[in-house]
Amino acid sequence: SQKIEQNSEALNIQEGKTATLTCNYTNYSPAYLQWYRQDPGRGPVFLLLIRENEKEKRKERLKVTFDTTLKQSLFHITASQPADSATYLCALEGSSNTGKLIFGQGTTLQVKP
Amino acid sequence: DTGVSQNPRHKITKRGQNVTFRCDPISEHNRLYWYRQTLGQGPEFLTYFQNEAQLEKSRLLSDRFSAERPKGSFSTLEIQRTEQGDSAMYLCASSISGGARDEQFFGPGTRLTVL
Repeated sequence: SQKIEQNSEALNIQEGKTATLTCNYTNYSPAYLQWYRQDPGRGPVFLLLIRENEKEKRKERLKVTFDTTLKQSLFHITASQPADSATYLCALEGSSNTGKLIFGQGTTLQVKP
Repeated sequence: DTGVSQNPRHKITKRGQNVTFRCDPISEHNRLYWYRQTLGQGPEFLTYFQNEAQLEKSRLLSDRFSAERPKGSFSTLEIQRTEQGDSAMYLCASSISGGARDEQFFGPGTRLTVL
């Protein structure tokens, strides 16, 4: 069955360091992969989208890589700040053009000052 | 605020009661999605509308669940004969087909507690 796995344990890092979050998937061939941020009690907020034919995407302090051979995406936040503390969700989208997203369980990031 | 809105934000009900949630998407968005999220998990897809047509339903959506999107604007999600296992956050999202490739805009969610 299709499965998406993110680090289940919280990631604790020091302010200024780079945070790296992992998203692995099996039995799936996504056309797109998206990353969302979710704060407690709120809905997810879109951060970045990367297509299957793209290796890397950047937006300000964020960088996403997508390796369809390894079936893995890495999400990096450079020069992390306490305000980056949140849960980060990866989501896969198939090529059926419905926009339906399959989410991982999320990884909680805590950035300490 | 022109984002996605959901009402109510919180709902507490007794087992066996019916509940209805409302979602108002961003006005120009033709796609609308319902997801369910439990603690420590990511959102799970429930159903999807393009305009007023309900095009896909998850097998998670038992026959106690029904969703509508009359006139392709707001949507309602009704749960009949609620069970304790229905307790979760119900999220609505909207997007434009053919737009910024399916970036979805989520509402704040409705938290349902079934006693």
